[in-house]
Amino acid sequence: DADVTQTPRNRITKTGKRIMLECSQTKGHDRMYWYRQDPGLGLRLIYYSFDVKDINKGEISDGYSVSRQAQAKFSLSLESAIPNQTALYFCATSDPTGTGETQYFGPGTRLLVL
Amino acid sequence: GNSVTQMEGPVTLSEEAFLTINCTYTATGYPSLFWYVQYPGEGLQLLLKATKADDKGSNKGFEATYRKETTSFHLEKGSVQVSDSAVYFCALTHPGNQFYFGTGTSLTVIP
Repeated sequence: DADVTQTPRNRITKTGKRIMLECSQTKGHDRMYWYRQDPGLGLRLIYYSFDVKDINKGEISDGYSVSRQAQAKFSLSLESAIPNQTALYFCATSDPTGTGETQYFGPGTRLLVL
Repeated sequence: GNSVTQMEGPVTLSEEAFLTINCTYTATGYPSLFWYVQYPGEGLQLLLKATKADDKGSNKGFEATYRKETTSFHLEKGSVQVSDSAVYFCALTHPGNQFYFGTGTSLTVIP
């Protein structure tokens, strides 16, 4: 089974709708992240959480919110979706112990906002 | 601030050709440097990393050397295969901080 899972894998929604993307991990990592990927722009950080009680805004948090329900779960919400939020969304985890902290990514959620 | 700059793509090579993808960075101190690879339809996965100056990361025939003097971490492979077709991302982090990714370089290897 995959260490980092995302649901749904694909989603089509309409402008103005509220949607939630979910991420679960079995790696036991405290740190979790949400990114979006757009062609030519690479990965941009939306929100990150270093433990259950810690939530931080990333580079592009406007229009998004998150919830860290447990160490293993980190959800991303679009309160009122708009077309320019159409993108590929990735969840990731990391463990700061040891040398060279590495991020582990989920398979991604492809979101289309009409 | 911290940032990563990668060479623009897409890159198209014939099988068995030599590959170089350039990556330079801006950061204070001594960050850890990474190359991630994204195969079609998948998430990113770690390809290799280096945590201090002059370290060489290697995996699956790919190599990259951490050059502090030129703030670079160029990815190389001596003989690419069709299965290496993917998008490659350079990234950096300082311990305990967020990651910074480049924009990605798409590689297509043709038989």
